[in-house]
Amino acid sequence: GNSVTQMEGPVTLSEEAFLTINCTYTATGYPSLFWYVQYPGEGLQLLLKATKADDKGSNKGFEATYRKETTSFHLEKGSVQVSDSAVYFCALPLYGQNFVFGPGTRLSVLP
Amino acid sequence: DTAVSQTPKYLVTQMGNDKSIKCEQNLGHDTMYWYKQDSKKFLKIMFSYNNKELIINETVPNRFSPKSPDKAHLNLHINSLELGDSAVYFCASSQYLAGGSTGELFFGEGSRLTVL
Repeated sequence: GNSVTQMEGPVTLSEEAFLTINCTYTATGYPSLFWYVQYPGEGLQLLLKATKADDKGSNKGFEATYRKETTSFHLEKGSVQVSDSAVYFCALPLYGQNFVFGPGTRLSVLP
Repeated sequence: DTAVSQTPKYLVTQMGNDKSIKCEQNLGHDTMYWYKQDSKKFLKIMFSYNNKELIINETVPNRFSPKSPDKAHLNLHINSLELGDSAVYFCASSQYLAGGSTGELFFGEGSRLTVL
């Protein structure tokens, strides 16, 4: 079945540092891939997604490219801000309308 | 106008009590979910309903009973609460898309349950 492996944090960076959060997946076929973000005290919200191989999802300065060859969907941002401090989840469909989520990576950005 | 709203946001109760969490979505989605998030932020699906019908029922104690009176509402009732039930419970909704693709999940803000 589909599964996702995500680097576990916490990750602590200084403002304006470069961010990479690794995500690799195992899937039947080529499902859409997602990154969700959870800010403190809130529910998860979609950050970006990619629907097919070589697609790049982007939003709020974050990017992730759907790499079929390496079964990866790493999240990157060139210059993080304090407001990016949150927990980030990689996710993909499990079956039907269900999703499987990675364990989450907590990011703390220091001023 | 909140897309997925759940109440209450906080719930503190004693072991052995029964409690309910309510969820409503105004997005017109046909599928709704309950997820449990533990203290380490790990998310696990509990239930999923599509057009009021149960389609996913993961390994959850039968003390947990979901009810969907219509496709815009999905409530969660928990009997005989235990310490291990303490967690944040998230409601979510999505729409099944033409061609079989999977739409994104929209989450509520969560209901933090503390069992003493």
